[in-house]
Amino acid sequence: DAGVTQSPTHLIKTRGQHVTLRCSPISGHKSVSWYQQVLGQGPQFIFQYYEKEERGRGNFPDRFSARQFPNYSSELNVNALLLGDSALYLCASSPPGGLGSPLHFGNGTRLTVT
Amino acid sequence: GQQVMQIPQYQHVQEGEDFTTYCNSSTTLSNIQWYKQRPGGHPVFLIQLVKSGEVKKQKRLTFQFGEAKKNSSLHITATQTTDVGTYFCATGNQFYFGTGTSLTVIP
Repeated sequence: DAGVTQSPTHLIKTRGQHVTLRCSPISGHKSVSWYQQVLGQGPQFIFQYYEKEERGRGNFPDRFSARQFPNYSSELNVNALLLGDSALYLCASSPPGGLGSPLHFGNGTRLTVT
Repeated sequence: GQQVMQIPQYQHVQEGEDFTTYCNSSTTLSNIQWYKQRPGGHPVFLIQLVKSGEVKKQKRLTFQFGEAKKNSSLHITATQTTDVGTYFCATGNQFYFGTGTSLTVIP
């Protein structure tokens, strides 16, 4: 079975631009979460979606937005990029089961903002 | 929101030595999950603990949840080079990750 897939793997953008990152969850997983991981730190929660509805939002500015599609894939959008947005963006899907369903991470998208 | 702190931030051990990382919170935790991230990789789920005082083992790895559900530990017996990576605890509905402990194993 295919794992969580993310695209693109690497991306270089200029300050002020916008970016769209994509994620396809494991088949059967209806929940998708997005995390930002800066080098040397733990993943920071950005969004969680379940059945196309936002279920949680982390402490990120409104420049960050996301959505989930009927096939449960998801997009993360970041507008007006800042140098500080440079990070590894991880997508994770989880099976139904409520609290404690393990997160299955993709390989991430490495975003560099210059 | 729930915050978890991990110590130590870094740990270097000789191969064969034991290793322990601790995850601490000032509030009662609903659950604790542990993940391992190899260098250049993504976090991989190891285990979940939900009960007060719970202890679970996976081969050389022992996971423990404190009686007050405010702390947890991961202990590796007789480390191997394959144990290299960063170990994270996470709590809540997978929303909050700890700062991680980076383990280096010296052959």
